[in-house]
Amino acid sequence: DTGVSQDPRHKITKRGQNVTFRCDPISEHNRLYWYRQTLGQGPEFLTYFQNEAQLEKSRLLSDRFSAERPKGSFSTLEIQRTEQGDSAMYLCASSLAQGLAGLEYNEQFFGPGTRLTVL
Amino acid sequence: AQTVTQSQPEMSVQEAETVTLSCTYDTSENNYYLFWYKQPPSRQMILVIRQEAYKQQNATENRFSVNFQKAAKSFSLKISDSQLGDTAMYFCAFMKPAETGANNLFFGTGTRLTVIP
Repeated sequence: DTGVSQDPRHKITKRGQNVTFRCDPISEHNRLYWYRQTLGQGPEFLTYFQNEAQLEKSRLLSDRFSAERPKGSFSTLEIQRTEQGDSAMYLCASSLAQGLAGLEYNEQFFGPGTRLTVL
Repeated sequence: AQTVTQSQPEMSVQEAETVTLSCTYDTSENNYYLFWYKQPPSRQMILVIRQEAYKQQNATENRFSVNFQKAAKSFSLKISDSQLGDTAMYFCAFMKPAETGANNLFFGTGTRLTVIP
């Protein structure tokens, strides 16, 4: 296993179109995260999965965004009716949650990202 | 809410010299984790170093070390013997402990470091 992979690496679309991104985490990692990184900013949390369950969504995730992880392995992030403000790098990360409750630490490994440009 | 502030948008350092990147954060949590991530140009983000808030000893990883000041909520990164491969964006990040939820990371805005030959 060579790490977290994302597809496509680049996507250019016209405003109003739907786009879907895919993330393949490291095998056996039970947690999967999506972040969005706009130009000049650090990544911002969008949502995360524990296995196939989507457990938390940030307020950044509007109704036009939907994420799935149907079998607890790969995940997809879909943006409907894209807007120019959606232009960003979408990062996926995975981790293996383990350890004592309260002191749990699970390193997140990041993929290369999908750069979305909405024209 | 957690906030992470990096007040140095850009820095440069001569090869083989030492540079320190600053980071401050705000939280009401007592237990948490702090990280420095490196994002090289057009490459994926990798973890450089982490610090557990309950540990008083500053973390060290080879040429990378941190100065963790819990009371001041300060977490700086020192890179010794800078190498050309250290050229990258560096992000300071914060993570709450597991029992409070997602373990998602809160990032600062980054510092672009350039190592000059």
